[in-house]
Amino acid sequence: EVQLVESGGGLVQPGRSLRLSCAASGFTFDDYAMHWVRQAPGKGLEWVSGISWNSGSIGYADSVKGRFTISRDNAKNSLYLQMNSLRAEDTALYYCAKDSEMYYFDYWGQGTLVTVSS
Amino acid sequence: EIVMTQSPATLSVSPGERATLSCRASQSVSSNLAWYQQKPGQAPRLLIYGASTRATGIPARFSGSGSGTEFTLTISSLQSEDFAVYYCQQYNNWPPLTFGQGTKLEIK
Repeated sequence: EVQLVESGGGLVQPGRSLRLSCAASGFTFDDYAMHWVRQAPGKGLEWVSGISWNSGSIGYADSVKGRFTISRDNAKNSLYLQMNSLRAEDTALYYCAKDSEMYYFDYWGQGTLVTVSS
Repeated sequence: EIVMTQSPATLSVSPGERATLSCRASQSVSSNLAWYQQKPGQAPRLLIYGASTRATGIPARFSGSGSGTEFTLTISSLQSEDFAVYYCQQYNNWPPLTFGQGTKLEIK
């Protein structure tokens, strides 16, 4: 059974940093690209960032480019999102999502909540 | 960036009736279109990929159609568990991958 478990969320002040993690199990992690998708309270889904199986291809939404960094550790079956210079508009539930091999998402975690507020 | 537009924003349908949800892309995405269902407090669930292929375990009452810029998700006979928010997502071009704003399917 595929499991994706996010962690690292919390309350952080504007301008500060936070690092999210996603622990994956139930599939061969280093065979698949992975993504972060977020959802602001009461709003829709927004793709944030994606990384290929070997970290050779990485993409970001314009809204986070230059502030967020995605990475993965295949030896640890883990995905990360380093979030710097956080803004109030980054407040959201952050989901880790497994790529299907075609850039749609076949499995999702339950999310970790990031709240940016002073 | 490809902009995805869903309509209507809210759709009210009675149980047992048919629901038709629309998704339009600002430029062609071929058949690289997925649909997701999200219930309150839950993560999204993949319903349809390739515009018309049901994901594993998805009931046959869910069907997708379309290609290019116009897509439709049809739920043939609504069950109580189908009332949720539905999102389309294009994966023809990345980055970025883009979602529609969602259609809320509510009980009439």
